[in-house]
Amino acid sequence: GQQVMQIPQYQHVQEGEDFTTYCNSSTTLSNIQWYKQRPGGHPVFLIQLVKSGEVKKQKRLTFQFGEAKKNSSLHITATQTTDVGTYFCAGPGYGNKLVFGAGTILRVKS
Amino acid sequence: DAGVIQSPRHEVTEMGQEVTLRCKPISGHDYLFWYRQTMMRGLELLIYFNNNVPIDDSGMPEDRFSAKMPNASFSTLKIQPSEPRDSAVYFCASSYRSTNTGELFFGEGSRLTVL
Repeated sequence: GQQVMQIPQYQHVQEGEDFTTYCNSSTTLSNIQWYKQRPGGHPVFLIQLVKSGEVKKQKRLTFQFGEAKKNSSLHITATQTTDVGTYFCAGPGYGNKLVFGAGTILRVKS
Repeated sequence: DAGVIQSPRHEVTEMGQEVTLRCKPISGHDYLFWYRQTMMRGLELLIYFNNNVPIDDSGMPEDRFSAKMPNASFSTLKIQPSEPRDSAVYFCASSYRSTNTGELFFGEGSRLTVL
């Protein structure tokens, strides 16, 4: 079945450094969603990308959808301690099911 | 709107006991999803409903798990009998569109510990 792979699994950065997580699908995606889960919290929707090559920004967060619509990335510029958490990508799978990647855990040292 | 409401937030029970988790989706959302999250397996979709009808339960681990949605504002996930390997955080989520186009709104989760 369709799988969504995410790398890295874990990243520990110094506050102020940049951070990027990558998401790759085995199949072409009609869209891709990104979620953030704070420690002890629940996943919260960040954004959805639909178009090939699409780039969207939310303050210090930049989201990209690959030209082939099989990969995506989330880049955070100048991380802050409030950015800590797990970032998930998710894409629609067979039968309307949303398939989540394993997530990238971000820790920020202040 | 108060968002997706789940109860209980925490449950500790002994192996063999019945566990019932409850969810109230956001009003007007036609889709309801039950996910399970563990360190080993990440976020797994167990079952989802559309307009109160179960559409896909292929993610339900085994017959010990069952889910119902008697009306648009309430769903339950039941485990009977529970086992230690069922320990996880169970999330309910709702959406007003299909997952191909709409975002999921998650509840705060029910953390289950089976001793």
